[in-house]
Amino acid sequence: DTAVSQTPKYLVTQMGNDKSIKCEQNLGHDTMYWYKQDSKKFLKIMFSYNNKELIINETVPNRFSPKSPDKAHLNLHINSLELGDSAVYFCASSQAPTSSEQFFGPGTRLTVL
Amino acid sequence: AQSVTQLDSQVPVFEEAPVELRCNYSSSVSVYLFWYVQYPNQGLQLLLKYLSGSTLVKGINGFEAEFNKSQTSFHLRKPSVHISDTAEYFCAVSDMNTGFQKLVFGTGTRLLVSP
Repeated sequence: DTAVSQTPKYLVTQMGNDKSIKCEQNLGHDTMYWYKQDSKKFLKIMFSYNNKELIINETVPNRFSPKSPDKAHLNLHINSLELGDSAVYFCASSQAPTSSEQFFGPGTRLTVL
Repeated sequence: AQSVTQLDSQVPVFEEAPVELRCNYSSSVSVYLFWYVQYPNQGLQLLLKYLSGSTLVKGINGFEAEFNKSQTSFHLRKPSVHISDTAEYFCAVSDMNTGFQKLVFGTGTRLLVSP
């Protein structure tokens, strides 16, 4: 059973398009995260949600909008894609904001042409 | 703000040899420290963590790490590696004020184990 899953695994699109990445966790966790890993493997947190509420927003452009329809899902919508958005996006979850272990999904590789 | 430095981008080693992956951090406050492993085409998985107490922590798959506050280091070691240990290893830190939510990662070290 996959604990944290993401779709799609690969996403290739043109500049200016709008795209979404979906994340689901079946661990019963309350807290979910989005990370961006750039071409130099630098992994940085973008957002964190706890029980569907935003708790961390790390100076991410407004073109990125996370949405959490329920505790098990945290989707990432990106408007007007730019070349610099090309990266691997990881979703993660933890039992609570105070939990020391995060569980990561396999990542979505986004390529903007 | 915290930062993490993993000086070695790649470490080649032969099977059954010992290995050490280096991690240094910078922080003005006390920290929690983590090592995560990423196997090919998979997400990151927690290998071990230092929260408090003994500075030598043991993790999964025979790995261990030692927290050295004076040297601000948290190096990862394994006495004898296997081919299956080939993966990307990430060191991460979070500070005790903000808790575990904001993990700051290093840029990773690729461990390449050959026969």
